[in-house]
Amino acid sequence: EAQVTQNPRYLITVTGKKLTVTCSQNMNHEYMSWYRQDPGLGLRQIYYSMNVEVTDKGDVPEGYKVSRKEKRNFPLILESPSPNQTSLYFCASSLTPGRTPLHFGNGTRLTVT
Amino acid sequence: QKEVEQNSGPLSVPEGAIASLNCTYSDRGSQSFFWYRQYSGKSPELIMFIYSNGDKEDGRFTAQLNKASQYVSLLIRDSQPSDSATYLCAVNIAANSGGYQKVTFGTGTKLQVIP
Repeated sequence: EAQVTQNPRYLITVTGKKLTVTCSQNMNHEYMSWYRQDPGLGLRQIYYSMNVEVTDKGDVPEGYKVSRKEKRNFPLILESPSPNQTSLYFCASSLTPGRTPLHFGNGTRLTVT
Repeated sequence: QKEVEQNSGPLSVPEGAIASLNCTYSDRGSQSFFWYRQYSGKSPELIMFIYSNGDKEDGRFTAQLNKASQYVSLLIRDSQPSDSATYLCAVNIAANSGGYQKVTFGTGTKLQVIP
């Protein structure tokens, strides 16, 4: 089954404790992207990747890191989480950037206390 | 100016009516336009996409694109309570570098269909 898999679904952590949210897709998609969603602010792009080893900042990259060492994986790293990073996070992928629809993971609800 | 703008709503329509959702975008070079539906706490799901000027119909949904005026709309005919959700407009725009494209979302319009 074609899918984007995010883990974990829920995560509660404390300020400053490094964490990684994993994202994997099995559709051989070139484009992958991370979004965060907060009430009233819609989906805001954190980072995106056009292919292996090619990544770029989105609209809200501060406090986040990503890597794209393999085509299928695009982990999101929070090296020192803060409470303002409490949010709902989505990973998404598509075959051709901007030309084909995005496939979304199920989301990760992160709480930083 | 935001790259993609939508009225946040809520837009309330009675059951059976036509719901009209609008979206404007700033990049004249944008060529791909998507509508996603999102239920609270769930991931967005694709409703329709459109590339060319004019209308595209799929069941009860019609997407309309006007590139000259830089807007795209979604019409939902015979609205049902199950259509109550947030509708996200997404547009491809030029990425920061390298000639790539990226997808940018509007903040979404919340639709409420009243039984």
